[in-house]
Amino acid sequence: QKEVEQDPGPLSVPEGAIVSLNCTYSNSAFQYFMWYRQYSRKGPELLMYTYSSGNKEDGRFTAQVDKSSKYISLFIRDSQPSDSATYLCAASNAGNNRKLIWGLGTSLAVNP
Amino acid sequence: NAGVTQTPKFQVLKTGQSMTLQCAQDMNHEYMSWYRQDPGMGLRLIHYSVGAGITDQGEVPNGYNVSRSTTEDFPLRLLSAAPSQTSVYFCASSYSGAGVPGANVLTFGAGSRLTVL
Repeated sequence: QKEVEQDPGPLSVPEGAIVSLNCTYSNSAFQYFMWYRQYSRKGPELLMYTYSSGNKEDGRFTAQVDKSSKYISLFIRDSQPSDSATYLCAASNAGNNRKLIWGLGTSLAVNP
Repeated sequence: NAGVTQTPKFQVLKTGQSMTLQCAQDMNHEYMSWYRQDPGMGLRLIHYSVGAGITDQGEVPNGYNVSRSTTEDFPLRLLSAAPSQTSVYFCASSYSGAGVPGANVLTFGAGSRLTVL
């Protein structure tokens, strides 16, 4: 079992839909949780960064961490065609926070 | 401020050939790393460096060498290319301060697509 599990999709939604992307993890020592977005033929770029549990909101994006169920979520409101990309979740623990454990990524297509 | 620059963007090699993928960053980041990304395998860490003169292995280091003579540059060398090394390679960096929140925010380059025939 991988330490971070992510359904690769693909996920296809109409423009304006609310998108929910999810990861689960197994290591209870993870404290840092990140979402990266990767456009086709580009490098990943940081989208959201959270420490420990709770929610973090940035515009149309909300990252949620539930440490009791070891569940990481990214919500996209009012999705746009420009949100079409692969979304990668990653986690690390406090002791070696530069060792990131990655999910496989979920491919999202937002259709006009 | 160019961020992380990788060259070349594309390369085709024959089995047994050697080559170097270049990576340079202008953000004064101490931490630099190389990943490969393959369908169904995700991002896998090859080698990393926490500062000039210091390198260490990641989870898939076999067949690759690295060195870090300056803060800015972190080249990846393929010693004798094999078809299994066909992949997209990403260089990524982050600022110093292991254990400091935010020190693990990676900035990625645009990638180098390598095909080994």
